[in-house]
Formats: sequence, structure tokens, C-alpha cells
Amino acid sequence: KNQVEQSPQSLIILEGKNCTLQCNYTVSPFSNLRWYKQDTGRGPVSLTIMTFSENTKSNGRYTATLDADTKQSSLHITASQLSDSASYICVVSAGGATNKLIFGTGTLLAVQP
Amino acid sequence: GAVVSQHPSWVICKSGTSVKIECRSLDFQATTMFWYRQFPKQSLMLMATSNEGSKATYEQGVEKDKFLINHASLTLSTLTVTSAHPEDSSFYICSAPPEIAYNEQFFGPGTRLTVL
Repeated sequence: KNQVEQSPQSLIILEGKNCTLQCNYTVSPFSNLRWYKQDTGRGPVSLTIMTFSENTKSNGRYTATLDADTKQSSLHITASQLSDSASYICVVSAGGATNKLIFGTGTLLAVQP
Repeated sequence: GAVVSQHPSWVICKSGTSVKIECRSLDFQATTMFWYRQFPKQSLMLMATSNEGSKATYEQGVEKDKFLINHASLTLSTLTVTSAHPEDSSFYICSAPPEIAYNEQFFGPGTRLTVL
């Protein structure tokens, strides 16, 4: 069964601190892995997208890693800001003609002053 | 970057009425669009795949007669919640992969439906 699991479920950090979110997946066939940021009441916004051959990708203060062998990914947020408070969703594309996405349950991040 | 819009952004309706939600790709064409539903503190759940010029494909457990999908053009898909009930209250989100960048997928801002 295709699954994407994220940890922790929720996280509270102080402004300026770093944090790392985890994602484990069992999706086959694998096409790509994406990290999205979803603000409350809004649609998800793409942060990074990585294919099988990519190990790391950065987008500003966001850095995602991918280990295709262990089927794990992480999202590292550097120097957190209050605006980083959101739900972060790991999504794996199962590939194929349908381009179906398998969603993780998300990590709810709260950055406090 | 590519933009997907939804209309309305929120809607309140009485039980038993029908509600139509529009999803538009503003600067790219999309032969396929996806409709999701998201309940509070849960992740997005795929409801159906909307295909331009053909019938939509529904996920298991989603009633096709209740959630009518029409993909009339390469930039517009509509989801109609028929005979809405309070349990249909949710956050509905659409997404679209551009034809020229099928690995990418852009999400709309979502529509908050509240059925009284």
C-alpha cells in the first residue's frame, strides 16, 4: 500500500531556531517527492520537488534531502520566522499516466516569538 | 509562476441546495485537474480526477452522483456538490499539472464550504 508518513505531527520552536521535519514513504513506482507549505485556510504552495537522482534541493531557508535507498526525506528550516508557522506536507508522486499524488498527514509547525 | 484560482473562496449554503465550485488555470492549459477535500487537521484527500473532454475518475468511496465534475475546457473544471448536507462541509482544493511540466502541480487557494 502506498503510504507517506511524517514526523513529528506537530512542533513548536522559537523564532530564529532551526528545525527538521521527517518524511518516510512506501510508494511504488516512485516519480518524485515534494514538500509543500500550507497556511491555514489556503491551498498548498510548493517548496521543493526532487526526483530519484536528486539528494538535496534548497529554496531559500528551506533545504530538502532525499535518500531514495531508505525512502526517507527531510525538510530543514533555517533561522525560522513567525511566517513559517504552517503545515508542511510531504507528497510523493506515484508516477505513471495518472500522476497521482500520495499525501503525508503533515507536520504542523508553530514558530513563537 | 503558474497560478490556479478557485471561486468562490468560501460559501455558506442551506442543506439540500447545490453548490458549484470553479477551478481555473490562469496562465497554462491543463487537460487534467484534481479535486481534493480536506477536513480540519487532516491532510488532503483526493476525490476525483477531472479530465478535459471525458468523464471524471472518482476515488473509491466518493459518490459521483453527489459530486459532479465537469471539465469543459483546458483551463476550467467545476465541482458541483449536489443536495449538500452538513457533513459535506469541508475545504475543497483543486490542483492542476501544466501540460508542459507534468511533474509539477499547482494548487488552488481552496474553497471553504459550510452547509447549515
